[in-house]
Amino acid sequence: GAVVSQHPSWVICKSGTSVKIECRSLDFQATTMFWYRQFPKQSLMLMATSNEGSKATYEQGVEKDKFLINHASLTLSTLTVTSAHPEDSSFYICSARDALRGNEQFFGPGTRLTVL
Amino acid sequence: QQPVQSPQAVILREGEDAVINCSSSKALYSVHWYRQKHGEAPVFLMILLKGGEQKGHEKISASFNEKKQQSSLYLTASQLSYSGTYFCGTESSGNTPLVFGKGTRLSVIA
Repeated sequence: GAVVSQHPSWVICKSGTSVKIECRSLDFQATTMFWYRQFPKQSLMLMATSNEGSKATYEQGVEKDKFLINHASLTLSTLTVTSAHPEDSSFYICSARDALRGNEQFFGPGTRLTVL
Repeated sequence: QQPVQSPQAVILREGEDAVINCSSSKALYSVHWYRQKHGEAPVFLMILLKGGEQKGHEKISASFNEKKQQSSLYLTASQLSYSGTYFCGTESSGNTPLVFGKGTRLSVIA
């Protein structure tokens, strides 16, 4: 099966610092990657869609200057939370899709961010 | 637009059946079903594409009524391991992001 990894699995940082989260497709090439945020007991909310080599498409209400997304290769996308604040604390999950495999999205294990 | 899931929560005894519904106000291209355990990422269950598909996966199956823009997930003879939150994710066309419902919290008790 297709495997997606995320790193780190959890991170605690001080308010005002920046945090980078990596999402990698381990055994397939991800033509598209998606970043979601999930607050406790809530649904997954799409933040942005990124295609390799092009700028990410952000959902309404998501600040692109705060949540920087880079999809530098077909196996790696990164999300950088800049100048993090306590309200950014959440579970961040990426998913990847391989156009050759059809419509299925493969999810990473998630990264729990806590901003103090 | 976010699909609507029902019920919001359900408690079952082992061996009982459950149905979780997912409906959309928009025409759908596909419906994806996931189960998420607390603190973990969603785990893929199945995809249903337009054309009125039905699929089965052991004791978990699903149907997709394209005309009604609805999908249902059927859990039969539930097991303790079925506990979790079930999400449907919908696509309005191919290769578009999934939009997830609010989830249905399923608890299976002995």
